[in-house]
Amino acid sequence: QVQLVQSGAEVKKPGASVKVSCKASGYTFTSYGISWVRQAPGQGLEWMGWISAYNGNTNYAQKLQGRVTMTTDTSTSTAYMELRSLRSDDTAVYYCARDGGELRTFDYWGQGTLVTVSS
Amino acid sequence: DIQMTQSPSSLSASVGDRVTITCRASQSISSYLNWYQQKPGKAPKLLIYAASSLQSGVPSSFSGSGSGTDFTLTISSLQPEDFATYYCQQSYTSPITFGQGTRLEIK
Repeated sequence: QVQLVQSGAEVKKPGASVKVSCKASGYTFTSYGISWVRQAPGQGLEWMGWISAYNGNTNYAQKLQGRVTMTTDTSTSTAYMELRSLRSDDTAVYYCARDGGELRTFDYWGQGTLVTVSS
Repeated sequence: DIQMTQSPSSLSASVGDRVTITCRASQSISSYLNWYQQKPGKAPKLLIYAASSLQSGVPSSFSGSGSGTDFTLTISSLQPEDFATYYCQQSYTSPITFGQGTRLEIK
């Protein structure tokens, strides 16, 4: 069965960086992309960007350009999302989701990783 | 960016009720519209893709319709487990954008 398992919660100070992992299993990792979506406390869903697990191509949300980097390690079927220069409004639950095909449906999601930015 | 606007933002209904949630895109997105259900503390779950296709394993009480700019999600007979927040999402063009969510509560 398809599973995406994310790394654990993080607490960071403003200005620091965080790197969240998302380990995939149950499907051919390189046949799909991974999108990252975040959700601030009590708020809606915000798409952060996408990476192709096939060739590493990326597409980031403009508001995060320059602060976010998404990578994959095909040897371990793991995707990573690094966010730098953290601010308090980056406090959120971060989700990875399998992003497949032309329809760009997010059909499987990780369990979420809470990142708290606080001094 | 394409703006997705859902209505209502919140809704109270009873078990057995028929409920409709609407989603409007700021420009045409053809049928590139997906619906997700999210329960507190959980990841979103894909319900409907391509505006009207039911994701595998999702009860047939859920249905979607629409194309262009106007879309609807209908739950034909509410069950206790359906009380959650629902989001529409356009996948027509980058950046992918979500509606603000519709919170469905028990009356």
